[in-house]
Amino acid sequence: DTAVSQTPKYLVTQMGNDKSIKCEQNLGHDTMYWYKQDSKKFLKIMFSYNNKELIINETVPNRFSPKSPDKAHLNLHINSLELGDSAVYFCASSQDQGYSDEQYFGPGTRLTVT
Amino acid sequence: DQQVKQNSPSLSVQEGRISILNCDYTNSMFDYFLWYKKYPAEGPTFLISISSIKDKNEDGRFTVFLNKSAKHLSLHIVPSQPGDSAVYFCAAVKFSGGYNKLIFGAGTRLAVHP
Repeated sequence: DTAVSQTPKYLVTQMGNDKSIKCEQNLGHDTMYWYKQDSKKFLKIMFSYNNKELIINETVPNRFSPKSPDKAHLNLHINSLELGDSAVYFCASSQDQGYSDEQYFGPGTRLTVT
Repeated sequence: DQQVKQNSPSLSVQEGRISILNCDYTNSMFDYFLWYKKYPAEGPTFLISISSIKDKNEDGRFTVFLNKSAKHLSLHIVPSQPGDSAVYFCAAVKFSGGYNKLIFGAGTRLAVHP
């Protein structure tokens, strides 16, 4: 059983399209995250939800909208895709929001915008 | 601005020898640090952490050292094994806006060869 799963694993789409990435965790964790790994390989936090409530919202374009229907799911919807959105997106979860709470990552979704 | 820096993008080590991966940070307010390991096509997995009240934490073959005055930490792997070949990310916990978030370095690719 995969602890944190993401779908799809690969996503190739054209500029201007709208796409969604889904994430599910079966660890019973309260907190979930979205990270973006850009071409320079840095992993940067985008959003975090705790018990379905948005708690971290970094400087991310409004075209990116996270949605958490329940504690186990955190989806990422991207409108009007741009070339610069090409990256690997990782979902993660942790038991809580404490600094020592280990984060468990999904396998990533490689998004390519052409 | 890169608050967590891993200045060596790659490192090659012979099996059985020691691997030393380095990480520097700029923010003296960081008080908890983690190392994550990442294999290709997988998400990062937690390896080891250290609180700023300590200068060393050991877990089997892995030891993390923290030098607060130099704002430097290092991960030692001894003895190195081929299965250790992966990308290693250093991360620091930043408390911002009432919540904790991870700030990652760009990673160091370790290759352990026989």
